[in-house]
Amino acid sequence: AQKVTQAQTEISVVEKEDVTLDCVYETRDTTYYLFWYKQPPSGELVFLIRRNSFDEQNEISGRYSWNFQKSTSSFNFTITASQVVDSAVYFCALRNNNAGNMLTFGGGTRLMVKP
Amino acid sequence: DTGVSQDPRHKITKRGQNVTFRCDPISEHNRLYWYRQTLGQGPEFLTYFQNEAQLEKSRLLSDRFSAERPKGSFSTLEIQRTEQGDSAMYLCASSPQAPGSPLHFGNGTRLTVT
Repeated sequence: AQKVTQAQTEISVVEKEDVTLDCVYETRDTTYYLFWYKQPPSGELVFLIRRNSFDEQNEISGRYSWNFQKSTSSFNFTITASQVVDSAVYFCALRNNNAGNMLTFGGGTRLMVKP
Repeated sequence: DTGVSQDPRHKITKRGQNVTFRCDPISEHNRLYWYRQTLGQGPEFLTYFQNEAQLEKSRLLSDRFSAERPKGSFSTLEIQRTEQGDSAMYLCASSPQAPGSPLHFGNGTRLTVT
């Protein structure tokens, strides 16, 4: 069985603040993939990043960065200098290698960035 | 690449009626998925196809739900004898077969059962 937990249901920040979204996962598999998706008010789920279980190198892409810690089963996502357009629900998701590409999603974190 | 397309965007139906949704995946993707999302929750897996074969079904998919992908291209999801608890956003996604490929989602069909 696999599970994804996003303990923060809602976060509110003021524009230009940095914000980190937490994700903790459970899986028995040694090979798996982790994803972050963004769901803006329009409703479409937008793919942001994928990490495989063998790649613990953290990444920075513009204002986004990701911190994958296999030892603590965490895959956190940070937005630097947040903007109002970052307001959305963010989902962390897990797929193990034997699950036919099926994604297990966390409950999501609603991020509100106020001007 | 026109993205994943779903039709209709919204559907309002009375309890007991049947409804059918359509999904057109990204053309070169051979995997197609259906998910359901209720308000304030993450998407929940319903079923997936590889080409025309339905390879996995969630226990969430009761016998009132049926999905098809007859020619390995578009897919339909039918709900028979709808119940108020079926009200949700139904999301379709597609992906290539390569391991770890991200799923690309459509805009969803919002179903309201009155």
